[in-house]
Amino acid sequence: GESVGLHLPTLSVQEGDNSIINCAYSNSASDYFIWYKQESGKGPQFIIDIRSNMDKRQGQRVTVLLNKTVKHLSLQIAATQPGDSAVYLCAGGSQAGTALIFGKGTTLSVSS
Amino acid sequence: EPEVTQTPSHQVTQMGQEVILRCVPISNHLYFYWYRQILGQKVEFLVSFYNNEISEKSEIFDDQFSVERPDGSNFTLKIRSTKLEDSAMYFCASSEVAGGTGELFFGEGSRLTVL
Repeated sequence: GESVGLHLPTLSVQEGDNSIINCAYSNSASDYFIWYKQESGKGPQFIIDIRSNMDKRQGQRVTVLLNKTVKHLSLQIAATQPGDSAVYLCAGGSQAGTALIFGKGTTLSVSS
Repeated sequence: EPEVTQTPSHQVTQMGQEVILRCVPISNHLYFYWYRQILGQKVEFLVSFYNNEISEKSEIFDDQFSVERPDGSNFTLKIRSTKLEDSAMYFCASSEVAGGTGELFFGEGSRLTVL
């Protein structure tokens, strides 16, 4: 079945560093990917998304990279701030369905 | 900014009782979803709903679960006879396009505790 997973459950960085959070997926049919930020006790909040016809997409301080060859995507956060501390979730979907399949999440801790 | 709202924020119930979780999706959205997250686990898809019927459901969404859009604004998840393992955070979400291809907007969640 389809699965989406993250490489590391936790990541600790210093304020001002760049953070890279990785995610792998197994379903070749996945053609839409999305990163969410989840703060403690809250619902997932949209960060950035990317479709399979793209390799890279940039937002404000965030960049998502997609490597379809190895079924891998990453989220890069520039100049990480304490407010970026949260659980980061990657999810994948496809035109064949309506469900997003989530990975377990990476907990990002930013120390000042 | 429009948002998805959920009630109650926390519900405690006895095993075997019926629970109804309520959601008000974003008004111009057409697709509605329920996801759940057991403490420390992944966010798991339960069901999607479009045009007044279920579009897709997961293995978790068995006969104990049902969804309904009773009026033009509310979207509910009913658990007929709760079990201990139903304890989780339940998230409602909505989207303009099908969830496999576009952003889902999530509510803050309803925490269900089954004793």
